[in-house]
Amino acid sequence: SQQGEEDPQALSIQEGENATMNCSYKTSINNLQWYRQNSGRGLVHLILIRSNEREKHSGRLRVTLDTSKKSSSLLITASRAADTASYFCATGRSGYSTLTFGKGTMLLVSP
Amino acid sequence: DTEVTQTPKHLVMGMTNKKSLKCEQHMGHRAMYWYKQKAKKPPELMFVYSYEKLSINESVPSRFSPECPNSSLLNLHLHALQPEDSALYLCASSQVRISDAKQETQYFGPGTRLLVL
Repeated sequence: SQQGEEDPQALSIQEGENATMNCSYKTSINNLQWYRQNSGRGLVHLILIRSNEREKHSGRLRVTLDTSKKSSSLLITASRAADTASYFCATGRSGYSTLTFGKGTMLLVSP
Repeated sequence: DTEVTQTPKHLVMGMTNKKSLKCEQHMGHRAMYWYKQKAKKPPELMFVYSYEKLSINESVPSRFSPECPNSSLLNLHLHALQPEDSALYLCASSQVRISDAKQETQYFGPGTRLLVL
């Protein structure tokens, strides 16, 4: 069963705008990770936030985690056409060493 | 070297063929994974190897047979596949955490796009 559920399913913005994607999950977690996948290729790890962290930054990425609401958001600031990709959140249940991926958000950034 | 390589990039096979997918990493990771991904869907876990031992099999049909010959290599042997097995097959690797079973960052290969006719 899916652990992470992203919304929106698809997002279309112009270059320079910010993009926000959300992820909700159901069970307790150790950490939550975000990955990017360019069309038909492998996934690239973007950022990991631990369950005792509330916010984390990496370059133009900002991730928040609200464990009371079982939700996370990924913000990409000043988007570029090269950010066009699918974005997945991934979670693992406490005590398990594997990840379960959410359904993903397809982001299209137009020049 | 933070790269996971997969061969072949593309594979077309008939339902009676036998083929193998290969995955290699030289990051010293002792956990390796096979995922199956259909179009516009998230990756679905198939198998996990930890220290070259199969630790998780997510109820995958026996026509998929994984093998981990050493700590750097992971194979997926395919036999008598069905058209619905057509998908992108992704290999990933990560460090292993035994003490608390927390999830580690996974490093993915580019995938093998498989078409079964």
